[in-house]
Amino acid sequence: AQSVTQPDIHITVSEGASLELRCNYSYGATPYLFWYVQSPGQGLQLLLKYFSGDTLVQGIKGFEAEFKRSQSSFNLRKPSVHWSDAAEYFCAVGWISSGSARQLTFGSGTQLTVLP
Amino acid sequence: SQTIHQWPATLVQPVGSPLSLECTVEGTSNPNLYWYRQAAGRGLQLLFYSVGIGQISSEVPQNLSASRPQDRQFILSSKKLLLSDSGFYLCAWGGRTGRPLAKNIQYFGAGTRLSVL
Repeated sequence: AQSVTQPDIHITVSEGASLELRCNYSYGATPYLFWYVQSPGQGLQLLLKYFSGDTLVQGIKGFEAEFKRSQSSFNLRKPSVHWSDAAEYFCAVGWISSGSARQLTFGSGTQLTVLP
Repeated sequence: SQTIHQWPATLVQPVGSPLSLECTVEGTSNPNLYWYRQAAGRGLQLLFYSVGIGQISSEVPQNLSASRPQDRQFILSSKKLLLSDSGFYLCAWGGRTGRPLAKNIQYFGAGTRLSVL
């Protein structure tokens, strides 16, 4: 069965500092991988996605993520965090159910606080 | 462009009352539709998904039900709400055409905050 682990429940960084959010997945086949961001009281917005090709993918808002098959990881990074990046971040793995329905399994999320 | 609408944005209901949350999608045809519940600090739990009109799959046995009366309409219902039904409910849609990666992306509505008192 597929699963996603985000080991950091809460991360605090200072504005301008670099950021790395960790994500590990478990899936028997080549995974579709996603990072979503959620502002308080809002829905989820797609930051970036990966399936194949270049293992370093660029997303919106200056985020990037690197797929490492050997480590089953898809960590999210940003060189310099802005106060507006404060939000909750979810990693997800995409898969296809037995009924051919496409599904996402989400991690439990990482809450990011940005200090001025 | 495609848009997804959920309403109401917030809802306060007494225990034992019925529930109806609506989700509609515009700008696409025959989407996959999903209902998730998000409890504080616990990520997203898939409740139901639908690959077509009248086709509903339930992921978690519970007090809730879902229906898809039209291609781009997805409704979450309950006959009698429980305290444990409180949470943030998110609707999402996914496309069926395009490249494999594109077909695995889900797009989310703004959510409904349900408080059962």
